[in-house]
Amino acid sequence: GQSLEQPSEVTAVEGAIVQINCTYQTSGFNGLFWYQQHAGEAPTFLSYNVLDGLEEKGRFSSFLSRSKGYSYLLLKELQMKDSASYLCAVRDGDYKLSFGAGTTVTVRA
Amino acid sequence: DTAVSQTPKYLVTQMGNDKSIKCEQNLGHDTMYWYKQDSKKFLKIMFSYNNKELIINETVPNRFSPKSPDKAHLNLHINSLELGDSAVYFCASSRGTGGVRETEAFFGQGTRLTVV
Repeated sequence: GQSLEQPSEVTAVEGAIVQINCTYQTSGFNGLFWYQQHAGEAPTFLSYNVLDGLEEKGRFSSFLSRSKGYSYLLLKELQMKDSASYLCAVRDGDYKLSFGAGTTVTVRA
Repeated sequence: DTAVSQTPKYLVTQMGNDKSIKCEQNLGHDTMYWYKQDSKKFLKIMFSYNNKELIINETVPNRFSPKSPDKAHLNLHINSLELGDSAVYFCASSRGTGGVRETEAFFGQGTRLTVV
């Protein structure tokens, strides 16, 4: 099976940088995803890592270390619209996608 | 055009009733999923179908029965609803089950089920 852990909440001000960590344990590994979910809405895809290292995508970057079972999502130049829940998800050896409990990011003016 | 659509968006029903949630995707994907998101926002997989065949069946009460008439549709039927079934149910689809990016999941808008 899989287990994923993320902090439950993070608060930051507009313009700041926030890092959300995710640690995981899984039977086999076929990639790690980050999703954004605004309140009352569906999760939407943000990023994907399957090899170690940093993937940059505009203001969002995601890092993966497979040997440490660790990933982080970096949100730069925070905007009010970034207030949402951020979910990490890992795809296991059977290609099943399992999600963490999510980290609620609150951006303050 | 909505890529993954599910109906209804809201469902309020009494304990003991039987209800269905429908899901359709127009992305041409082979794999579809049902996820349950509880009040703590934890998104947990329930079922997955690939080309109409059940491939993932998590520990879910057998009151929940998925049905996939074709690869574009995956419906969820729930018998004898209980209070603990109240949650948001998300349908999702992905291109496939393997490969580098095939399991990027696209989600429907969710069905908020409230059992009273």
